[in-house]
Amino acid sequence: DAGVIQSPRHEVTEMGQEVTLRCKPISGHDYLFWYRQTMMRGLELLIYFNNNVPIDDSGMPEDRFSAKMPNASFSTLKIQPSEPRDSAVYFCASKQGHRGYTFGSGTRLTVV
Amino acid sequence: GQSLEQPSEVTAVEGAIVQINCTYQTSGFYGLSWYQQHDGGAPTFLSYNALDGLEETGRFSSFLSRSDSYGYLLLQELQMKDSASYFCAVRSVGATNKLIFGTGTLLAVQP
Repeated sequence: DAGVIQSPRHEVTEMGQEVTLRCKPISGHDYLFWYRQTMMRGLELLIYFNNNVPIDDSGMPEDRFSAKMPNASFSTLKIQPSEPRDSAVYFCASKQGHRGYTFGSGTRLTVV
Repeated sequence: GQSLEQPSEVTAVEGAIVQINCTYQTSGFYGLSWYQQHDGGAPTFLSYNALDGLEETGRFSSFLSRSDSYGYLLLQELQMKDSASYFCAVRSVGATNKLIFGTGTLLAVQP
């Protein structure tokens, strides 16, 4: 079991550029979550999917953020255009049923 | 809405016992979880309490009192590697797969 795989591990981009973060959940897990972590706001849930369907996106900060899950083994979080305040660590997590979440190693995003 | 309160920092020495408290306010309640996060790492699941009482997993135990909206994580025989941030998180009725995290407690274990 390779765990939840995120890429890239680090991303530095200029303000206004499009950023795409990728996640491969654990095989067989039917829930996928995107979280953002900052010192000021802690761990915030952005969106989650169940069986590839978005269930709750109330945490997505604004229209610049979008997430997709085209199949059970892949999800993306896109920011377009990116802004310096989007700098954070973005975590993807997956789970099956009522078990605990398994988090990926995260993507550290820096927007300059 | 939901809110969780934890102490921001706790310091203890190797071999000691430390308790990290968590109080919560939710419109409904489905369970309290605990996660550990080392600096620069990912949160990892430690424990889950759906019912009142104590759950023990090795050196770690977690307690829940639903009537008091309160729980704690107990770490025994502290080791240097236990230095990390610890988060409590709640799952709410009606959104049972949505975990809301507390602000975290930074535990520093000293020799």
